[in-house]
Amino acid sequence: NAGVTQTPKFQVLKTGQSMTLQCAQDMNHNSMYWYRQDPGMGLRLIYYSASEGTTDKGEVPNGYNVSRLNKREFSLRLESAAPSQTSVYFCASTFDPGNYGYTFGSGTRLTVV
Amino acid sequence: LAKTTQPISMDSYEGQEVNITCSHNNIATNDYITWYQQFPSQGPRFIIQGYKTKVTNEVASLFIPADRKSSTLSLPRVSLSDTAVYYCLQRQSNYQLIWGAGTKLIIKP
Repeated sequence: NAGVTQTPKFQVLKTGQSMTLQCAQDMNHNSMYWYRQDPGMGLRLIYYSASEGTTDKGEVPNGYNVSRLNKREFSLRLESAAPSQTSVYFCASTFDPGNYGYTFGSGTRLTVV
Repeated sequence: LAKTTQPISMDSYEGQEVNITCSHNNIATNDYITWYQQFPSQGPRFIIQGYKTKVTNEVASLFIPADRKSSTLSLPRVSLSDTAVYYCLQRQSNYQLIWGAGTKLIIKP
């Protein structure tokens, strides 16, 4: 099925460990985004990639890095996980943010202990 | 950063029309209003987007008055499966979306 695929769906990390969240879309979308969602709150933008080859910081980029590997894939890396990074992470993509809505993945639930 | 204001929660019954109103007093000239729906343990799903007046698609209608300081999402004849959190967002000129806590809509039988 066409859409945004995130892996893994669940992850538990110890403080200080590193990991990479993977995101891939098969809709030929140009723009991709990483959000985090904390309980009872809306989403907050971590990083985004307006087009292949570009990345920019969002509202809460500290502690994260991203890579736009190609047009399909956009990964999010936590170099040294902290308990404050416990959250649900969503990847999203859109063909044209000016004219189309975003398509979201099903999320990665990350717990840092 | 501009943020919208909407009710924290609403209840309604199957078959009713539901209207969720959103306030966006600081909306900029080039901002659009966008609505998303989110079910538990899922990512948000785009519902509708508009600039002013009325926009309708197969799922919902969006009403935005001339002053654009508010908007109303209208869901016709809701069912139990419409129980979800609904987010009203301003899509800013740099295309970034600012998310609030949303409106938790509960549909009762």
